[in-house]
Amino acid sequence: AQKITQTQPGMFVQEKEAVTLDCTYDTSDPSYGLFWYKQPSSGEMIFLIYQGSYDQQNATEGRYSLNFQKARKSANLVISASQLGDSAMYFCAMREGEASGGSYIPTFGRGTSLIVHP
Amino acid sequence: GAVVSQHPSWVICKSGTSVKIECRSLDFQATTMFWYRQFPKQSLMLMATSNEGSKATYEQGVEKDKFLINHASLTLSTLTVTSAHPEDSSFYICSARVSGRLSYEQYFGPGTRLTVT
Repeated sequence: AQKITQTQPGMFVQEKEAVTLDCTYDTSDPSYGLFWYKQPSSGEMIFLIYQGSYDQQNATEGRYSLNFQKARKSANLVISASQLGDSAMYFCAMREGEASGGSYIPTFGRGTSLIVHP
Repeated sequence: GAVVSQHPSWVICKSGTSVKIECRSLDFQATTMFWYRQFPKQSLMLMATSNEGSKATYEQGVEKDKFLINHASLTLSTLTVTSAHPEDSSFYICSARVSGRLSYEQYFGPGTRLTVT
Protein backbone atom coordinates (compact mmCIF):
# COMPACT_ATOMS: atom_id res chain seq x y z
CA ALA A 1 0.00 0.00 0.00
CA GLN A 2 1.24 3.43 -0.86
CA LYS A 3 2.28 5.33 2.23
CA ILE A 4 2.54 8.75 0.66
CA THR A 5 0.01 9.98 -1.87
CA GLN A 6 0.37 13.09 -3.94
CA THR A 7 -2.68 13.31 -6.14
CA GLN A 8 -1.65 16.33 -8.19
CA PRO A 9 0.77 15.35 -10.95
CA GLY A 10 0.97 18.98 -12.05
CA MET A 11 -0.01 22.38 -10.75
CA PHE A 12 0.03 25.84 -12.27
CA VAL A 13 0.08 29.10 -10.33
CA GLN A 14 0.41 32.75 -11.19
CA GLU A 15 3.46 34.53 -9.88
CA LYS A 16 2.90 36.16 -6.46
CA GLU A 17 -0.10 33.95 -5.71
CA ALA A 18 -0.22 31.23 -3.08
CA VAL A 19 -0.41 27.55 -3.98
CA THR A 20 -1.17 24.42 -1.99
CA LEU A 21 0.39 21.09 -2.85
CA ASP A 22 -1.48 18.12 -1.44
CA CYS A 23 -0.01 15.20 0.45
CA THR A 24 -1.74 12.45 2.37
CA TYR A 25 -0.03 9.69 4.22
CA ASP A 26 -0.78 6.36 5.78
CA THR A 27 0.85 5.01 8.89
CA SER A 28 -0.07 3.22 12.08
CA ASP A 29 3.03 4.45 13.85
CA PRO A 30 2.18 7.26 16.28
CA SER A 31 5.63 8.76 15.85
CA TYR A 32 6.58 9.94 12.39
CA GLY A 33 8.01 12.84 10.52
CA LEU A 34 6.82 14.51 7.36
CA PHE A 35 9.09 16.24 4.88
CA TRP A 36 8.80 18.32 1.78
CA TYR A 37 11.57 18.50 -0.78
CA LYS A 38 11.97 20.60 -3.90
CA GLN A 39 13.70 19.18 -6.96
CA PRO A 40 14.47 21.74 -9.67
CA SER A 41 15.42 20.66 -13.17
CA SER A 42 19.05 20.46 -12.08
CA GLY A 43 18.10 17.35 -10.10
CA GLU A 44 19.25 18.13 -6.60
CA MET A 45 16.82 17.52 -3.77
CA ILE A 46 16.38 20.56 -1.57
CA PHE A 47 14.94 20.15 1.91
CA LEU A 48 12.14 22.64 2.52
CA ILE A 49 10.28 21.87 5.70
CA TYR A 50 9.73 19.24 8.38
CA GLN A 51 6.78 18.40 10.63
CA GLY A 52 6.95 15.93 13.48
CA SER A 53 3.81 14.05 14.38
CA TYR A 54 3.98 15.34 17.94
CA ASP A 55 4.65 18.92 17.01
CA GLN A 56 1.90 21.14 18.34
CA GLN A 57 2.19 23.83 15.74
CA ASN A 58 2.31 23.71 11.98
CA ALA A 59 5.83 24.10 10.65
CA THR A 60 6.78 27.24 8.78
CA GLU A 61 9.96 28.18 6.95
CA GLY A 62 9.86 31.52 5.21
CA ARG A 63 7.35 31.31 2.39
CA TYR A 64 6.73 27.63 3.06
CA SER A 65 4.23 26.37 5.57
CA LEU A 66 2.94 22.90 6.24
CA ASN A 67 -0.78 22.52 6.83
CA PHE A 68 -0.69 19.51 9.12
CA GLN A 69 -4.05 17.87 9.77
CA LYS A 70 -3.26 14.81 11.82
CA ALA A 71 -6.75 13.35 11.97
CA ARG A 72 -7.08 13.53 8.22
CA LYS A 73 -3.48 12.35 7.74
CA SER A 74 -2.67 15.19 5.45
CA ALA A 75 0.42 17.37 5.25
CA ASN A 76 -0.13 19.91 2.53
CA LEU A 77 2.60 22.33 1.55
CA VAL A 78 1.58 25.94 1.14
CA ILE A 79 3.85 28.25 -0.82
CA SER A 80 2.96 31.89 -0.42
CA ALA A 81 3.81 34.60 -2.92
CA SER A 82 5.01 32.20 -5.61
CA GLN A 83 8.13 33.09 -7.52
CA LEU A 84 9.30 31.95 -10.94
CA GLY A 85 12.13 30.09 -9.23
CA ASP A 86 9.61 27.94 -7.41
CA SER A 87 8.94 26.02 -10.61
CA ALA A 88 10.12 22.50 -9.81
CA MET A 89 9.04 19.06 -8.70
CA TYR A 90 7.92 18.85 -5.11
CA PHE A 91 8.07 15.65 -3.13
CA CYS A 92 6.34 14.82 0.10
CA ALA A 93 8.02 12.19 2.25
CA MET A 94 7.38 10.42 5.53
CA ARG A 95 9.63 8.69 8.00
CA GLU A 96 8.20 6.41 10.65
CA GLY A 97 9.45 5.61 14.12
CA GLU A 98 10.80 9.07 14.87
CA ALA A 99 10.63 8.74 18.65
CA SER A 100 12.74 5.59 18.73
CA GLY A 101 15.22 6.90 16.23
CA GLY A 102 13.25 5.38 13.43
CA SER A 103 14.49 3.93 10.23
CA TYR A 104 15.78 7.33 9.13
CA ILE A 105 14.62 6.30 5.70
CA PRO A 106 11.85 8.45 4.31
CA THR A 107 9.32 7.12 1.86
CA PHE A 108 8.68 9.50 -0.99
CA GLY A 109 5.50 10.32 -2.84
CA ARG A 110 5.36 10.50 -6.63
CA GLY A 111 5.79 14.22 -6.66
CA THR A 112 3.93 17.24 -8.01
CA SER A 113 5.27 19.36 -10.80
CA LEU A 114 4.70 23.03 -10.08
CA ILE A 115 4.89 25.64 -12.81
CA VAL A 116 4.79 29.30 -11.88
CA HIS A 117 3.55 31.61 -14.63
CA PRO A 118 4.73 35.22 -14.87
CA GLY B 1 23.46 23.77 5.77
CA ALA B 2 25.43 20.58 5.26
CA VAL B 3 26.78 19.91 1.78
CA VAL B 4 26.82 16.61 -0.02
CA SER B 5 28.66 16.26 -3.28
CA GLN B 6 28.49 13.60 -5.95
CA HIS B 7 30.96 12.78 -8.64
CA PRO B 8 30.57 12.55 -11.52
CA SER B 9 27.48 14.62 -12.18
CA TRP B 10 26.89 12.72 -15.38
CA VAL B 11 28.48 9.76 -17.07
CA ILE B 12 28.01 7.86 -20.29
CA CYS B 13 29.37 4.36 -20.47
CA LYS B 14 29.19 1.38 -22.76
CA SER B 15 27.16 -1.67 -21.94
CA GLY B 16 29.17 -4.19 -19.95
CA THR B 17 31.46 -1.72 -18.26
CA SER B 18 31.40 -0.66 -14.61
CA VAL B 19 30.85 2.83 -13.28
CA LYS B 20 31.71 4.20 -9.86
CA ILE B 21 29.79 7.08 -8.33
CA GLU B 22 31.17 8.89 -5.29
CA CYS B 23 29.15 10.57 -2.59
CA ARG B 24 30.92 12.83 -0.12
CA SER B 25 29.78 14.79 2.87
CA LEU B 26 31.90 17.92 2.65
CA ASP B 27 31.58 19.59 6.01
CA PHE B 28 30.16 16.95 8.30
CA GLN B 29 30.49 13.33 9.22
CA ALA B 30 27.85 10.96 7.98
CA THR B 31 27.52 7.61 9.66
CA THR B 32 24.68 6.73 7.35
CA MET B 33 24.29 7.43 3.66
CA PHE B 34 21.47 6.45 1.37
CA TRP B 35 21.44 5.67 -2.32
CA TYR B 36 18.38 6.39 -4.39
CA ARG B 37 17.44 5.82 -7.97
CA GLN B 38 15.08 8.04 -9.89
CA PHE B 39 13.59 7.40 -13.30
CA PRO B 40 12.35 10.35 -15.34
CA LYS B 41 9.35 12.05 -13.81
CA GLN B 42 9.15 9.47 -11.06
CA SER B 43 9.81 9.45 -7.38
CA LEU B 44 12.98 8.49 -5.61
CA MET B 45 13.32 4.81 -4.91
CA LEU B 46 15.62 3.79 -2.09
CA MET B 47 18.20 1.30 -3.24
CA ALA B 48 20.30 0.79 -0.14
CA THR B 49 21.37 2.20 3.18
CA SER B 50 25.08 2.47 3.72
CA ASN B 51 26.61 2.49 7.18
CA GLU B 52 30.24 3.39 7.72
CA GLY B 53 32.38 0.36 8.33
CA SER B 54 29.68 -2.21 7.72
CA LYS B 55 27.86 -3.84 4.85
CA ALA B 56 25.12 -1.95 3.13
CA THR B 57 21.50 -2.89 3.60
CA TYR B 58 19.78 -3.33 0.26
CA GLU B 59 16.11 -2.87 -0.45
CA GLN B 60 14.12 -5.74 -1.82
CA GLY B 61 14.65 -6.23 -5.50
CA VAL B 62 18.00 -4.45 -5.64
CA GLU B 63 20.83 -6.69 -6.80
CA LYS B 64 23.69 -6.56 -4.33
CA ASP B 65 26.20 -7.91 -6.80
CA LYS B 66 25.24 -5.39 -9.42
CA PHE B 67 25.13 -2.31 -7.24
CA LEU B 68 28.18 -2.46 -5.00
CA ILE B 69 28.19 0.00 -2.15
CA ASN B 70 31.20 0.84 -0.04
CA HIS B 71 31.17 3.25 2.89
CA ALA B 72 34.80 3.26 3.86
CA SER B 73 34.87 6.49 5.81
CA LEU B 74 32.56 8.92 7.55
CA THR B 75 32.65 11.23 4.58
CA LEU B 76 32.64 8.93 1.57
CA SER B 77 30.33 6.31 0.15
CA THR B 78 30.64 4.85 -3.32
CA LEU B 79 28.15 3.11 -5.57
CA THR B 80 29.58 0.94 -8.33
CA VAL B 81 27.26 -0.20 -11.08
CA THR B 82 28.86 -3.36 -12.38
CA SER B 83 28.39 -4.70 -15.90
CA ALA B 84 26.07 -1.84 -16.69
CA HIS B 85 23.19 -2.32 -19.11
CA PRO B 86 20.96 0.25 -20.80
CA GLU B 87 18.20 -0.43 -18.27
CA ASP B 88 20.56 0.82 -15.56
CA SER B 89 20.39 4.27 -17.11
CA SER B 90 18.91 6.47 -14.44
CA PHE B 91 19.48 9.34 -12.07
CA TYR B 92 21.29 8.21 -8.93
CA ILE B 93 21.09 10.35 -5.82
CA CYS B 94 22.83 9.92 -2.52
CA SER B 95 21.91 11.47 0.77
CA ALA B 96 23.51 11.63 4.16
CA ARG B 97 22.36 12.08 7.70
CA VAL B 98 24.21 14.43 9.94
CA SER B 99 25.61 12.50 12.87
CA GLY B 100 24.69 13.93 16.23
CA ARG B 101 22.31 16.49 14.83
CA LEU B 102 18.53 16.58 14.69
CA SER B 103 17.31 13.27 13.39
CA TYR B 104 15.38 14.74 10.51
CA GLU B 105 18.34 16.44 8.94
CA GLN B 106 19.06 14.57 5.76
CA TYR B 107 20.88 16.21 2.90
CA PHE B 108 20.94 15.14 -0.70
CA GLY B 109 23.68 15.21 -3.26
CA PRO B 110 23.11 16.83 -6.65
CA GLY B 111 22.69 13.46 -8.32
CA THR B 112 24.52 11.56 -11.05
CA ARG B 113 22.92 10.93 -14.39
CA LEU B 114 24.05 7.61 -15.82
CA THR B 115 23.49 6.75 -19.45
CA VAL B 116 24.47 3.29 -20.64
CA THR B 117 24.74 2.89 -24.39
